[in-house]
This record gives sequence, structure tokens and C-alpha cells, in this order.
Amino acid sequence: GENVEQHPSTLSVQEGDSAVIKCTYSDSASNYFPWYKQELGKRPQLIIDIRSNVGEKKDQRIAVTLNKTAKHFSLHITETQPEDSAVYFCAASMSPSYDKVIFGPGTSLSVIP
Amino acid sequence: NAGVTQTPKFRILKIGQSMTLQCTQDMNHNYMYWYRQDPGMGLKLIYYSVGAGITDKGEVPNGYNVSRSTTEDFPLRLELAAPSQTSVYFCASSWWGTNEQFFGPGTRLTVL
Repeated sequence: GENVEQHPSTLSVQEGDSAVIKCTYSDSASNYFPWYKQELGKRPQLIIDIRSNVGEKKDQRIAVTLNKTAKHFSLHITETQPEDSAVYFCAASMSPSYDKVIFGPGTSLSVIP
Repeated sequence: NAGVTQTPKFRILKIGQSMTLQCTQDMNHNYMYWYRQDPGMGLKLIYYSVGAGITDKGEVPNGYNVSRSTTEDFPLRLELAAPSQTSVYFCASSWWGTNEQFFGPGTRLTVL
């Protein structure tokens, strides 16, 4: 089955710096890669996603890149702000039916003012 | 729209007791999911459903059961609760498997 690894598990950055979180997946047939943000005590919410026919996607300060050959994808947050502090989860869809996604273990991001 | 709602918000069970966690969505989504999130950990898929009458196991189904008699509801049943089932349970729904999942607020369950 699909296995998703995520690094680092914790990340601290100064406000205004960039943050990068990396994920790898095991199933080369996976075709959908979402990123969710979970603030403390809240529910996870989708912040950006990418499909296997696209190499990069950007939405304001966040971007995601996908390398299908290497089976890894990354989340980039630029000009970080304190409200970016949260746990971020990557996920990958699972073949053959793509009915579900498997989540990575999460990265706790702290943005220091 | 209320989105995805879950009841109860909190519950304490004794070992061996049973309970049902309720989940309802009003977005007419086909797909629904149950996850558990242990402290400081990621989301583990328990069960999922691709439509009324169809359910399937996820990564950690042991000790749980589900049913999907309507599009809106997807209850999760815990039989013979064990301390290892202490966790936060999230229900989620989506149009398809490869679309945004909308999560409910979660149920915090403690088994003592």
C-alpha cells in the first residue's frame, strides 16, 4: 500500500523567512497530492493540492512542487507570518481506485515573531 | 450549509463499553471518511465509504465498524472500547477521492 513520509517533523523559522516541507511517497501510480493545515485544536483544512500532470502550483505565499520521477513533493511557504504556525500534513492518493488519500505524519511549523 | 458535523464533542468511556460516533454532511458528497488522530501524530484512516451502502477498511479498522445507509450519515461504532482507542476522531467528506476533504470538528474520546 501507499506510504507517505514527511520531513522535518518540526520546523522553526523567523518571521519573514521561507519554510520548506518535503514528502516522499511509495506508490508511483499516485496522482493527487494535497496539503492540509491544522491549527492547534482545530480541524485540518486544505491549503493547496497538485495533480500528477502538473509540476508546480502556486497560491499567493504558498507553492507546491512535484517530482514524479523521484516520487517526492514539497510545500514552500514564503514570507512566513505568525499565523502560519500550525501542523502541516501532506498526503497522496492511493491506487488503484484513488478513493482515499494516505496522510504523512505531519510537520509542526513555528514562526517566531 | 453546516458542512460536516460530528457528535458528541467529548466522551469518556469505560473499558468494554460501546458507543457510536455520529457524522453528518449536508454537501451531498459521495465520499466519507473516518480518521483517528493520536496526540502529536498524523491522521490514520479507519474506514471510508464511496457511496450509500458501500464501505471499506482503511489503515486501522480493527475494533471499529461503520455503516452508510444514506448519503448524509456515516456513523462509526466502537465495540468493547479499549484504552488504545483513546484519540481524536475526525469525520470527513468529499465529492471524489481525489478532491478536497472537508473535515468535521472532531470527537475527543477517552477510554479509562
